[in-house]
Amino acid sequence: SAVISQKPSRDICQRGTSLTIQCQVDSQVTMMFWYRQQPGQSLTLIATANQGSEATYESGFVIDKFPISRPNLTFSTLTVSNMSPEDSSIYLCSAMKDITEAFFGQGTRLTVV
Amino acid sequence: AQTVTQSQPEMSVQEAETVTLSCTYDTSESDYYLFWYKQPPSRQMILVIRQEAYKQQNATENRFSVNFQKAAKSFSLKISDSQLGDAAMYFCAYRPLRDDKIIFGKGTRLHILP
Repeated sequence: SAVISQKPSRDICQRGTSLTIQCQVDSQVTMMFWYRQQPGQSLTLIATANQGSEATYESGFVIDKFPISRPNLTFSTLTVSNMSPEDSSIYLCSAMKDITEAFFGQGTRLTVV
Repeated sequence: AQTVTQSQPEMSVQEAETVTLSCTYDTSESDYYLFWYKQPPSRQMILVIRQEAYKQQNATENRFSVNFQKAAKSFSLKISDSQLGDAAMYFCAYRPLRDDKIIFGKGTRLHILP
């Protein structure tokens, strides 16, 4: 298994600013992902965080808006840039050690005012 | 397109009773994994149960079991002896063997009535 620590757990931000969310895994993992979840809704994959290279973004998400870093096998960050109220959501970090199970952080609840 | 459908947005069950959550999926793949995840109010996604498509035997984990019908592309979750701690959002999810991405359904919110 893997334990994922995600920080911050929640934040309230002014529009036009940026927030960086950190995801730390307690052991090395092969894959790391970032999801967005509107309250009471399903998870939407933003991107796959690739170690040592640019993240792979899903349709509708771009690097300028959601830059992602993954400097090693246990850590990744997601930045939400130039925020607007539409970015208010829960952001979840996920990791996989093998193909059989994904682990999740507790999420970051972001409110943009 | 690969999709996961959960047709029950909300369900309620009396404590100690049994409840079944429905899930169907659409895929042309023959090898894949299916999952049920639980998300309580704490937001922590927890794996409840996993099924490999090549296995005919239905997976079970204590009070949780699945009814996997590959031909019908159906993957329901049965919770026996429901407990108050089972109250949560339940997501059905699918992952093809050749891909790293997991596709989630829209979720079913389960209420446990004392």
